[in-house]
Formats: sequence, structure tokens, C-alpha cells
Amino acid sequence: NAGVTQTPKFRILKIGQSMTLQCTQDMNHNYMYWYRQDPGMGLKLIYYSVGAGITDKGEVPNGYNVSRSTTEDFPLRLELAAPSQTSVYFCASSYSIGELYNEQFFGPGTRLTVL
Amino acid sequence: AQTVTQSQPEMSVQEAETVTLSCTYDTSESDYYLFWYKQPPSRQMILVIRQEAYKQQNATENRFSVNFQKAAKSFSLKISDSQLGDAAMYFCAYLFGNEKLTFGTGTRLTIIP
Repeated sequence: NAGVTQTPKFRILKIGQSMTLQCTQDMNHNYMYWYRQDPGMGLKLIYYSVGAGITDKGEVPNGYNVSRSTTEDFPLRLELAAPSQTSVYFCASSYSIGELYNEQFFGPGTRLTVL
Repeated sequence: AQTVTQSQPEMSVQEAETVTLSCTYDTSESDYYLFWYKQPPSRQMILVIRQEAYKQQNATENRFSVNFQKAAKSFSLKISDSQLGDAAMYFCAYLFGNEKLTFGTGTRLTIIP
């Protein structure tokens, strides 16, 4: 049982390049999330998904896109990388039904640098 | 909008002693969740303890306990018998509904041998 996995662990991009951060969970969780963590700060939500085919914006969605074609996968796409997107990116998942909340499990993070 | 404030950027404690990390939050909701997450140098986010706002009893997990003051909107974390492995960033977080966690800016805890 791997939990939440993210690839790659590290990446350096040039300004204007694009890339996809991969996230996969094997816990059959319905909710998945993407956060970013800037130096010295807490995590901020970029996008989230409550199930396959459903996504919604979080607090800081600009410059990113997501899709959720399967329960397991929730990739994050950066189309035109900018230095402001230098950050550590965390994927998380949880299983929730109605008012029943369960904790979010986090992946190990991807450190992205845009130069 | 909900906000979470951690006013202590850094704290240090002698090994085996007790330390308390502070957290305050702002919300107009009555039913929500509060969490403390630990982030060691490995960057992994690890859930330490959670508190449901409708529960009056403070949550406890082994050496970790909270002091939840709902009216004051305060949620502090007490670590007893501090160990070297407790050294990490600690984040307080708030959740309403099943959507986003709102995080504080973190407190870096150093354990002095």
C-alpha cells in the first residue's frame, strides 16, 4: 500500500516551459488536492477534486490546470512556467462522505524551481 | 475568510521538557476541525492530532495534547517529554466541510539535547 505518490521529486524548469506533476493514490479516496508551499509559509490550496470528472479551484489556481479522469490520478499541469511558481507542491487525498470527514494523507512533495 | 495565525516562528525546548505551541484562528462557523501537522526535514506532512469543534474534551495522542478554547478561538499544542525526533516545523490547520485545509505559517521547533 503506497499511499499517495508524486513524481518527480525535483525539477528545474526554464521560464515558459510546461510540465505535469503526477499524483497517484491507491487508497480509493474520492477527494484529492494540490497544495503549494512557499518558503517559510504554510500550504495553500491550488485545486481540488471531489471525484473523477469533478475539479474546482482553490485559493491560488492561476497558472495551473488539473484533470481527474480516474479515481487514482490527479495530475497538475503548469503551462507557462514563471519564477513565481517556484515552490514545493504537495498532493493529498482523503475519503469523505457527506458530513463524515477523514484526514488528508499527503504525498512526499515535488520541489520545483523555475529559472 | 478563515485565517489561522501562529505567532511563534521559532521555539526551542530542552530534551525531556514540555513545550506549548500557540495557534489562533478566525471563523464564523460553529462546527469544524482543527489539526496539528508535523513537517520534518523530509518534507512529509504528518498528522499529529485532530480536534472536532463540537467536542469539548481536548484531544490527546500519547505525548501530544491540545488546549482547545472554542470561545477564544485558540488551539495550542503541548508536547510533553520532548524528544529529538520531535524537531520539525509544526503547522496548525483549520477545516470546514470537506474542502480545503487552511494552514498557519508554521512554528519551527528545535530540541536542545
